[in-house]
Amino acid sequence: QVQLVESGGGLVKPGGSLRLSCAASGFTFSDRFMSWIRQAPGKGLEWVAYTSDSGSMIKYADSVRGRFTMSRDNAKNSLYLQMNSLRNEDTAIYYCARDDGSTVDHWGQGTLVTVSS
Amino acid sequence: DVVMTQSPLSLPVTLGQPASISCRSSQSLVHSDGNTYLNWFQQRPGQSPRRLIYRVSNRDAGVPDRFSGSGSGTDFTLEISRVEAEDIGVYYCLQGTHWPFTFGPGTKVDFK
Repeated sequence: QVQLVESGGGLVKPGGSLRLSCAASGFTFSDRFMSWIRQAPGKGLEWVAYTSDSGSMIKYADSVRGRFTMSRDNAKNSLYLQMNSLRNEDTAIYYCARDDGSTVDHWGQGTLVTVSS
Repeated sequence: DVVMTQSPLSLPVTLGQPASISCRSSQSLVHSDGNTYLNWFQQRPGQSPRRLIYRVSNRDAGVPDRFSGSGSGTDFTLEISRVEAEDIGVYYCLQGTHWPFTFGPGTKVDFK
């Protein structure tokens, strides 16, 4: 079955960096668009970034553009999010999600990123 | 950006009774390919979101048939024909037509 397992979250000071990873299994990863979506504690959902199956097209939310970089390694069935210049408002659970052509259809369990001094 | 609004934001429900959530977008969600990428998600407490409905009215595998979606253009509705205990949680609509894709604020469904 489809599995998406995020890792790499943790506590970081403002201005710091973190790299999130998402390990995918149970489907042909290289065939699917993928996304990072976040949810601040007790809040709603925000799309962070979105990539095509090959990784040649990547889109970012305005709130993270220039600070976050999404990438994928299809040989390793893995998705990444490099987060630099982190701010307090980036504190959230970060979900990796698979697209099925309509929208995201499977989500990981999420990894918590806390930005605080 | 397309702004998604939902009403109500809080929905007290009674077991066995119907429930309805409205979702409106600030612009038409009809894509140039002819599809309307309006989707519904359920998030139970402590869990990741789960997709219920895609492209307005298509139910995902394993989703009970008491859930149904309808609408067009800018106005959409999620209906639960008879609420069951497992339906408690927050429901989000999502538009996947225009980038950045945007979610509604969520509707919290809880028992009266």
